[in-house]
Amino acid sequence: GAGVSQSPRYKVTKRGQDVALRCDPISGHVSLYWYRQALGQGPEFLTYFNYEAQQDKSGLPNDRFSAERPEGSISTLTIQRTEQRDSAMYRCASSLGTSGGTGNEQFFGPGTRLTVL
Amino acid sequence: EDQVTQSPEALRLQEGESSSLNCSYTVSGLRGLFWYRQDPGKGPEFLFTLYSAGEEKEKERLKATLTKKESFLHITAPKPEDSATYLCAVLPAGSGNTGKLIFGQGTTLQVKP
Repeated sequence: GAGVSQSPRYKVTKRGQDVALRCDPISGHVSLYWYRQALGQGPEFLTYFNYEAQQDKSGLPNDRFSAERPEGSISTLTIQRTEQRDSAMYRCASSLGTSGGTGNEQFFGPGTRLTVL
Repeated sequence: EDQVTQSPEALRLQEGESSSLNCSYTVSGLRGLFWYRQDPGKGPEFLFTLYSAGEEKEKERLKATLTKKESFLHITAPKPEDSATYLCAVLPAGSGNTGKLIFGQGTTLQVKP
């Protein structure tokens, strides 16, 4: 079946503009995660959804960042009033569950490369 | 503070030259340790999950092992197509039920023919 998909793959925006990044998880996966990955580093956690409920947003850098998953499937990460420091690769991942044991392996999408000019 | 450190940062091997990558971790209880492979321009690709000390998993030329403080990814007789960045991540017990992974910075492996 299809893997995790993200769109757009590349986004260039001007400082101060809002951007919305989309994630379509693997069908049937109840858990969805957003990470940010700097060049040469591992992904850094931003937020987590269990179905439509945002259960952990401890990694969101500030209140310009928000995320939603209204129907428990597709998710949107929104960055308001973008700044140059927001430039990074934003990755989405999904898993069957999180309770431990088989099923909590996270599968990653190709990412959205955001560049803020 | 939960932390993951991978070494070396970069590794160059000749084809057929076996070696190991290290992942050291400090967590308040471990629910799982994950290995991923990442090719340039792509998302991390899941390889293995290890849950308890002494556990081992194998896939082709790769073998992952786990102790109470670290994990090793052993690469036996590598081929050029094994060239990639290998990422280690832990799922701390203190993460509740969020599935929040903490990643190391990765080891970039280059295998020359």
